[in-house]
Amino acid sequence: NAGVTQTPKFQVLKTGQSMTLQCAQDMNHEYMSWYRQDPGMGLRLIHYSVGAGITDQGEVPNGYNVSRSTTEDFPLRLLSAAPSQTSVYFCASSYWGSGSRETQYFGPGTRLLVL
Amino acid sequence: AQSVTQLDSQVPVFEEAPVELRCNYSSSVSVYLFWYVQYPNQGLQLLLKYLSGSTLVKGINGFEAEFNKSQTSFHLRKPSVHISDTAEYFCAVSPRVDTGRRALTFGSGTRLQVQP
Repeated sequence: NAGVTQTPKFQVLKTGQSMTLQCAQDMNHEYMSWYRQDPGMGLRLIHYSVGAGITDQGEVPNGYNVSRSTTEDFPLRLLSAAPSQTSVYFCASSYWGSGSRETQYFGPGTRLLVL
Repeated sequence: AQSVTQLDSQVPVFEEAPVELRCNYSSSVSVYLFWYVQYPNQGLQLLLKYLSGSTLVKGINGFEAEFNKSQTSFHLRKPSVHISDTAEYFCAVSPRVDTGRRALTFGSGTRLQVQP
């Protein structure tokens, strides 16, 4: 049971480039989400999904796209990277069952630097 | 909307000493409360959570936290820390009424530095 996995671990982009951050979980969790972590600000929700084919925006969605074609995968796309998107990105997943009391499990993170 | 304040950005402490990491929150609705730990270059791991019932919650690695509704606090404590407890600790809340978003609102984190 690998839990939540993220690739790549590190990435350097130039302004305007696009890329996809991958996230996968093998726990059959319905709920998946993306957070970004910036110094002194904790983590902030970007997008989330409550199941295959269903996604919605979080607190800071601008500049990011998501889709959920399978239960296991929830990729995050940056269409045109900007220096303000330099951050550490975490994917998380949880069961749907008992509402927001469910424990969210986090991946190891992707460090992104946009020059 | 919710907000979480972790009053100390860094807490240095000697090994085997007790420690308290402070967390205060503000919310217009009732919330669940969580503490997560992040070891260097790793993701976040749940330490403990308060859902209901006893206000003293015990978690992994000897940590415990006490929910104080009147002071809107959820301080984390450990009676004797180890070098291996060196990490960043995040307090977080989520609303009890589940809108589907299930967003955790995090504090800015407290870096615990345990010295020999």
